[in-house]
Amino acid sequence: GAVVSQHPSRVICKSGTSVKIECRSLDFQATTMFWYRQFPKQSLMLMATSNEGSKATYEQGVEKDKFLINHASLTLSTLTVTSAHPEDSSFYICSAWPPTGQSGHAGANVLTFGAGSRLTVL
Amino acid sequence: GDSVTQMEGPVTLSEEACLTINCTYTATGYPSLFWYVQYPGEGLQLLLKATKADDKGSNKGFEATYRKETTSFHLEKGSVQVSDSAVYFCALTTADSWGKLQFGAGTQVVVTP
Repeated sequence: GAVVSQHPSRVICKSGTSVKIECRSLDFQATTMFWYRQFPKQSLMLMATSNEGSKATYEQGVEKDKFLINHASLTLSTLTVTSAHPEDSSFYICSAWPPTGQSGHAGANVLTFGAGSRLTVL
Repeated sequence: GDSVTQMEGPVTLSEEACLTINCTYTATGYPSLFWYVQYPGEGLQLLLKATKADDKGSNKGFEATYRKETTSFHLEKGSVQVSDSAVYFCALTTADSWGKLQFGAGTQVVVTP
């Protein structure tokens, strides 16, 4: 089935620094990827939709200058947390739609998630 | 707007017990429904899905039936194992919000030997 790979899986940084998280679609092209955020013991909240070759679409309340998204190619989207602070510590997960039937599940397209990136800001 | 409501956890069970996690939804469109599972320290994995009323999704012994009349998609398993310990998320997406999953709060399941 289709695989979405995220890197790094864990990152610790100092307050005020920027951190980049990569999301790659393996063996398929993804014109659209989605970035979610998950606080401890909470559900996932959609942050933004990453569109290849154009600007990302951010959900209400998400600071676009804080969370920079670049979808530079059909297989790579990056999320950069700029000037990170402890409150940005979270689990960030990306997802993408593989071609029909490639998700590993029969029938309609299924959103495939990366394994997530845990950011800890000290 | 669209929303998903799940029963609160944690749910603690003994091995071989029956598991039911309730999930109800509200949606303006005609949603597709999903159950995702998150094992400790990992990302989300699709467990099963249903795209129309009366569809039954099944995988790894888990089942859920899309009930339009009760707007529900309850997850069931007849005999759980310790390896089923995880957080389970009910989610939906509609044609109007293509690709944007609306998740429930998640239900933690703990299975003891």
